[in-house]
Amino acid sequence: QVQLVESGGGVVQPGGSLRLSCAASGFTFSDYGMHWVRQAPGKGLDWVAFIRYDGSNNYYTDSVKGRFTISRDNSRNTLYLQMNSLRAEDTAVYYCAKIRGTEYNNYPFDVWGQGTMVTVSS
Amino acid sequence: DIVMTQSPDSLAVSLGERATINCKSSQSLLYSSNNKNYLGWYQQKPGQPPKLLIYWASTRESGVPDRFSGSGSGTDFTLTISSLQAEDVAVYYCQQYFTPPTFGQGTKVQIK
Repeated sequence: QVQLVESGGGVVQPGGSLRLSCAASGFTFSDYGMHWVRQAPGKGLDWVAFIRYDGSNNYYTDSVKGRFTISRDNSRNTLYLQMNSLRAEDTAVYYCAKIRGTEYNNYPFDVWGQGTMVTVSS
Repeated sequence: DIVMTQSPDSLAVSLGERATINCKSSQSLLYSSNNKNYLGWYQQKPGQPPKLLIYWASTRESGVPDRFSGSGSGTDFTLTISSLQAEDVAVYYCQQYFTPPTFGQGTKVQIK
């Protein structure tokens, strides 16, 4: 079945780095754009970044621009989020999500992973 | 960025009764080229990821019970649960999926 599985979360000190991974299965990964969305403890959903099916035209929320990099390896069916210069406010569960269509970028998010927790604390 | 505002923040409804959640966007979500509203609704239960319920404002995702329905156009949208079931207790989010996508703050639905 269609599945996304995140990994790579953990506890990191402020200023540190982490790389999250999202392994995809059950669909043609290279056909779909992908997003990262985060959710701070007890808070709502906060979009982080998007990458097109072919790895081009990446978009980021303003608060992570210059610190986070979204990328993908279509040969490995894996999405990544490199997070540098981490701050306390980056503490959240990070979800990867697949868009529902292939014709253009703007679709709802129809498949989500279970999430991986990132805690930024000294 | 487009701001999404949901109301109410929480509501309690008796089993079998109707639950209505409103969502207002700061800009129109109707794209004139295809006449579609770029609005989705998600359900999130505790400890779980969000689940897509409704997209294009009123299209139900496969497998979603027909007690869930979406309506509205432009800047004003509604999610209706026609007959609340115990398993519908969750937080519901609206989302616009223009670039950048943004979510409402969420509405918590509980049993009265």
